[in-house]
Amino acid sequence: ETGVTQSPTHLIKTRGQQVTLRCSSQSGHNTVSWYQQALGQGPQFIFQYYREEENGRGNFPPRFSGLQFPNYSSELNVNALELDDSALYLCASSSDSSGTKNIQYFGAGTRLSVL
Amino acid sequence: DAKTTQPNSMESNEEEPVHLPCNHSTISGTDYIHWYRQLPSQGPEYVIHGLTSNVNNRMASLAIAEDRKSSTLILHRATLRDAAVYYCILRDFFYRKKDSNYQLIWGAGTKLIIKP
Repeated sequence: ETGVTQSPTHLIKTRGQQVTLRCSSQSGHNTVSWYQQALGQGPQFIFQYYREEENGRGNFPPRFSGLQFPNYSSELNVNALELDDSALYLCASSSDSSGTKNIQYFGAGTRLSVL
Repeated sequence: DAKTTQPNSMESNEEEPVHLPCNHSTISGTDYIHWYRQLPSQGPEYVIHGLTSNVNNRMASLAIAEDRKSSTLILHRATLRDAAVYYCILRDFFYRKKDSNYQLIWGAGTKLIIKP
């Protein structure tokens, strides 16, 4: 059973650019959640995808968008990057099966630096 | 949204029990209490969760107050590898869509320091 993998691990962009972050969910999981974690803070929920549809969204502007593919992997896209977007971006996968419904499995994250 | 309150940091000696408190006075009847931990340079890791009754697993125990307004994560014998930030989180049911899943609202957590 493979875990959650995210790519790339590190990324440097300049203000105004666009970025795409990728996440492969754990085998058998149909739900992916994305979080932004600033230094010294807890993760902040961006949005969640369930069976290829957005299933909820946190307090993030529309320039944060996402996709989930038929194999349940996911992308996070951020347009018009701002300096405050510099953070660790975490992907978590989970399943709606009753046995493990309450557990999210996280990747190691992508560290994005915006200059 | 129900919120949690945790101490910013705690220290403990290696091989001694650790009790990490969490207050959640506005918890609703359907909120589960989750604990995750984040080791340095890693993504968060699930520890334990519960609703009303105390829970035990191989990593830890979760003691939930009778009124559910507070809970305590218990590490029975802390090791240096348990040094991490521990997050107490309430499950927030946002709008339900089909067989929807859920998301978790995170605070700043408790930084646990283990002294050898």
